[in-house]
Amino acid sequence: GESVGLHLPTLSVQEGDNSIINCAYSNSASDYFIWYKQESGKGPQFIIDIRSNMDKRQGQRVTVLLNKTVKHLSLQIAATQPGDSAVYFCAENRGTYKYIFGTGTRLKVLA
Amino acid sequence: DGGITQSPKYLFRKEGQNVTLSCEQNLNHDAMYWYRQDPGQGLRLIYYSQIVNDFQKGDIAEGYSVSREKKESFPLTVTSAQKNPTAFYLCASTLDSYSGANVLTFGAGSRLTVL
Repeated sequence: GESVGLHLPTLSVQEGDNSIINCAYSNSASDYFIWYKQESGKGPQFIIDIRSNMDKRQGQRVTVLLNKTVKHLSLQIAATQPGDSAVYFCAENRGTYKYIFGTGTRLKVLA
Repeated sequence: DGGITQSPKYLFRKEGQNVTLSCEQNLNHDAMYWYRQDPGQGLRLIYYSQIVNDFQKGDIAEGYSVSREKKESFPLTVTSAQKNPTAFYLCASTLDSYSGANVLTFGAGSRLTVL
């Protein structure tokens, strides 16, 4: 959609394959991280979150990995489906009201 | 269903006009936020409000104003002083918990276009 990511990196995956979307964050003091999915022309939807005292968290078909050593976050989507096509971005929480957002990655699922 | 309602979904503004975007939430959340989204950029904070009758400027507050007269409502006015207002505007809220895990819940967004 034109509201999000005209110039975003794109990940194209075959339907049924696993997807891995990456995010680098900058502040080692950030203690909470969230992944969002945004479809064209819509608001972001919460997918999964993780606190800094964890390095892995699993949800339904999604897993988030946190590597604090290199300040890297990844979102893994198992058995990617056409409905997973969207822009995905991470958010880091630095304090109660401050969130820093990544620019996002567009996921395209190929039939 | 609880959620955040933004209106209008699409809005057109002429040069020199002020326009107001509505944001209403029925989640009983304490804090509310306005973000601006431009292509290829991360969300940028315009204003946020922790409680009724109080709000703070975000990173790009110039040319915008807000009010928080009720817990449920946080309207954003885009004034004529905002030189490049064409963007997608997102309202969000959080339930203030001191657990350190406050998920931002977003509305569906409002697209503002300057003619």
